[in-house]
Amino acid sequence: EAGVAQSPRYKIIEKRQSVAFWCNPISGHATLYWYQQILGQGPKLLIQFQNNGVVDDSQLPKDRFSAERLKGVDSTLKIQPAKLEDSAVYLCASSPEAYSSGELFFGEGSRLTVL
Amino acid sequence: AQSVAQPEDQVNVAEGNPLTVKCTYSVSGNPYLFWYVQYPNRGLQFLLKYITGDNLVKGSYGFEAEFNKSQTSFHLKKPSALVSDSALYFCAVRDMGGGSYIPTFGRGTSLIVHP
Repeated sequence: EAGVAQSPRYKIIEKRQSVAFWCNPISGHATLYWYQQILGQGPKLLIQFQNNGVVDDSQLPKDRFSAERLKGVDSTLKIQPAKLEDSAVYLCASSPEAYSSGELFFGEGSRLTVL
Repeated sequence: AQSVAQPEDQVNVAEGNPLTVKCTYSVSGNPYLFWYVQYPNRGLQFLLKYITGDNLVKGSYGFEAEFNKSQTSFHLKKPSALVSDSALYFCAVRDMGGGSYIPTFGRGTSLIVHP
């Protein structure tokens, strides 16, 4: 079974530039999560999708971050314009459904460095 | 609101000795508790979970965790540590009774196993 795929693995940009990250979840998983992991901290949820609908985006900085999952499969997370404090690893995860006891399956992450 | 605390930034143990990584949680409903491990430059991998039933849960790689409702704790344990267990460990909780099903992570504990 293929795991959660993310790209790019690494990205370096200047502040005020834009960046996009892509995630393809495990086939058949209805729920997709984007987490931000700042060095030395635990993952913080940015947005959760159930199919192509948003379940929770309360911690997404909507003035600069956006995410979509148009066909209920893969997803894109965009940052525009980037700030220094956005330097982090962006983790994508999926699970069969949102309201369950199941664990999350994580991709390897996309490391962003903002200079 | 749900939360997870991992009181130790780092745990050091000699190979062959038992290890414990601590986790306490706070939820308004019933907790679903998880442990994940993260190796350098990798995503999080699921180790084990507590949903209901026996308070001692066994997981991957010889790890186990004990759920203690009165102390609201879910400590990760292993009888005999290996150098290869050195990694970052995250505790997570889902509040399945309080309405928030979003997985919330602790800040992580770095486990260092010395040869």
